[in-house]
Amino acid sequence: DVKVTQSSRYLVKRTGEKVFLECVQDMDHENMFWYRQDPGLGLRLIYFSYDVKMKEKGDIPEGYSVSREKKERFSLILESASTNQTSMYLCASSPGTVNYEQYFGPGTRLTVT
Amino acid sequence: EDQVTQSPEALRLQEGESSSLNCSYTVSGLRGLFWYRQDPGKGPEFLFTLYSAGEEKEKERLKATLTKKESFLHITAPKPEDSATYLCAVQAGTALIFGKGTTLSVSS
Repeated sequence: DVKVTQSSRYLVKRTGEKVFLECVQDMDHENMFWYRQDPGLGLRLIYFSYDVKMKEKGDIPEGYSVSREKKERFSLILESASTNQTSMYLCASSPGTVNYEQYFGPGTRLTVT
Repeated sequence: EDQVTQSPEALRLQEGESSSLNCSYTVSGLRGLFWYRQDPGKGPEFLFTLYSAGEEKEKERLKATLTKKESFLHITAPKPEDSATYLCAVQAGTALIFGKGTTLSVSS
């Protein structure tokens, strides 16, 4: 079974803090993704990566950055957390160019106060 | 613009009462349509991939079908444990575009 793990299930941070969210997958997938999910807005893509050290902006990259130094690990960084970044953050991975189904981690519920 | 619309937003069923969820899409060149199940507070769980019109996939009480403009998720004789939010997504490049989901509640 594909397993995607995220470093924290719940996180509370203060406004202005730098926040790191970590994601690890164990299936040697090329592609990795970060989404945020908010009521009424659905899943929105923040960033994705199709290879080590490669990254592409999604629909809402402002206020976020990412890092992928190893194939299995994809980090989301909130440079200076703000209250409007309070959300559920979901990491996903998918194989290369043949199958595109994405496998999701359990999510991190981030609250910025 | 690529777009996915799911209906209804919410659906309440009695146990055993079959129904269907709808996913309408507009995308330039469909490369795949995906169904996911999401339980409260958890990440989406992959259910099905459909690639071409006329294709069908089944898993237990769930059956997904695809036409050129929409997909249906048919739920036959649902049970309370089928209660969840069901998400539909279409492939656009490497990324997926998700609908907002249908929240299904099945009561006994």
